[in-house]
Amino acid sequence: GENVEQHPSTLSVQEGDSAVIKCTYSDSASNYFPWYKQELGKRPQLIIDIRSNVGEKKDQRIAVTLNKTAKHFSLHITETQPEDSAVYFCAAINTGGFKTIFGAGTRLFVKA
Amino acid sequence: EAQVTQNPRYLITVTGKKLTVTCSQNMNHEYMSWYRQDPGLGLRQIYYSMNVEVTDKGDVPEGYKVSRKEKRNFPLILESPSPNQTSLYFCASSQFSGLGTDTQYFGPGTRLTVL
Repeated sequence: GENVEQHPSTLSVQEGDSAVIKCTYSDSASNYFPWYKQELGKRPQLIIDIRSNVGEKKDQRIAVTLNKTAKHFSLHITETQPEDSAVYFCAAINTGGFKTIFGAGTRLFVKA
Repeated sequence: EAQVTQNPRYLITVTGKKLTVTCSQNMNHEYMSWYRQDPGLGLRQIYYSMNVEVTDKGDVPEGYKVSRKEKRNFPLILESPSPNQTSLYFCASSQFSGLGTDTQYFGPGTRLTVL
């Protein structure tokens, strides 16, 4: 079946450094790729998303890039802060937007 | 306030005792979905619904049932719970844009323990 691989599973960075999380998807019909942040004990919340007709999207310190040929998309966080510490999930959604496949998550630690 | 609500938030039950977890949204969203979250496995989709009376299986539907009789509600039913259904459950909803589902808004989660 379809799947989304997410790497790394754990990432530790120093405050102010950049963090990059990568996802690869298998379903070529996927056309919507959201990223969610989940703080401890809380629900996942959308932080940025990208659709297949766009190669890159930026929102302040967060950016997402998409390579449809390679079926690969990445989350980039610049100038990391301690409050960025959380678990981040990528997801791929197929054409028509019905079935949602999540990656296994990346636990990001930002050390002050 | 726009929101997705789930009840109960915490539940401890025993094997075989039928239970229902309710999910309700007040945003008039067409799409609703149930996920379970287990350590190291991320969020896995159980069932989803594109609109009233239209549901389909996600990746892990075994042991679960759903219904969508009203647009705002999407209950998750465990007819005969087993210990391997111990998990954190999230309901989510979204509207459809011209390109498919849009941002999914998640409920607060239901932590279920089956003894």
